[in-house]
Amino acid sequence: DPKIIQKPKYLVAVTGSEKILICEQYLGHNAMYWYRQSAKKPLEFMFSYSYQKLMDNQTASSRFQPQSSKKNHLDLQITALKPDDSATYFCASSQDKDWGYEQYFGPGTRLTVL
Amino acid sequence: QQKVQQSPESLSVPEGGMASLNCTSSDRNFQYFWWYRQHSGEGPKALMSIFSDGDKKEGRFTAHLNKASLHVSLHIRDSQPSDSALYFCAASERDYGNEKITFGAGTKLTIKP
Repeated sequence: DPKIIQKPKYLVAVTGSEKILICEQYLGHNAMYWYRQSAKKPLEFMFSYSYQKLMDNQTASSRFQPQSSKKNHLDLQITALKPDDSATYFCASSQDKDWGYEQYFGPGTRLTVL
Repeated sequence: QQKVQQSPESLSVPEGGMASLNCTSSDRNFQYFWWYRQHSGEGPKALMSIFSDGDKKEGRFTAHLNKASLHVSLHIRDSQPSDSALYFCAASERDYGNEKITFGAGTKLTIKP
């Protein structure tokens, strides 16, 4: 059974629209993260949450908003989509936010903005 | 300049051979290093971590860290076709009690049967 579920697997959106990427983890972890991967940039850290609290935000744009409704959920809302937002978005989790804990990645959501 | 630089960008190794991947960081705040592997269409998966000088061996994989030069390497012996993947080096630092991880651009490894 998959331990980290990301939905949908593929997503096509038009410029200016809004989308929500879903992430659920069933590992019992306390920390969750969002990363972005595109052809232009390596794996890029976006957000980290610990016990449903935002710990770190490395995205320059407020168009990206994480939402944590439950301890094991961390969704990503993206508004006013741009073609440059096209990328694969990975959710990850770790037992704790402290140093040295392995991060487990989900399968990703590939977003294409036309 | 990227804080974590990997070389080579791509590498082709015959099956059964040794693959050697390199990673250098430019920030002495990095104290913990990870190697992740990503197969096509999947998310990255951690292979191993290292934070002490010297070698760390796990099966066919050996990581080597030289803290003085901030250089970490990954050696894969007896390479298998299933080892073909994108390999990321990741460097970790503590920032006000939180861990921050920076990934390198990756090395694409191809194992030729």
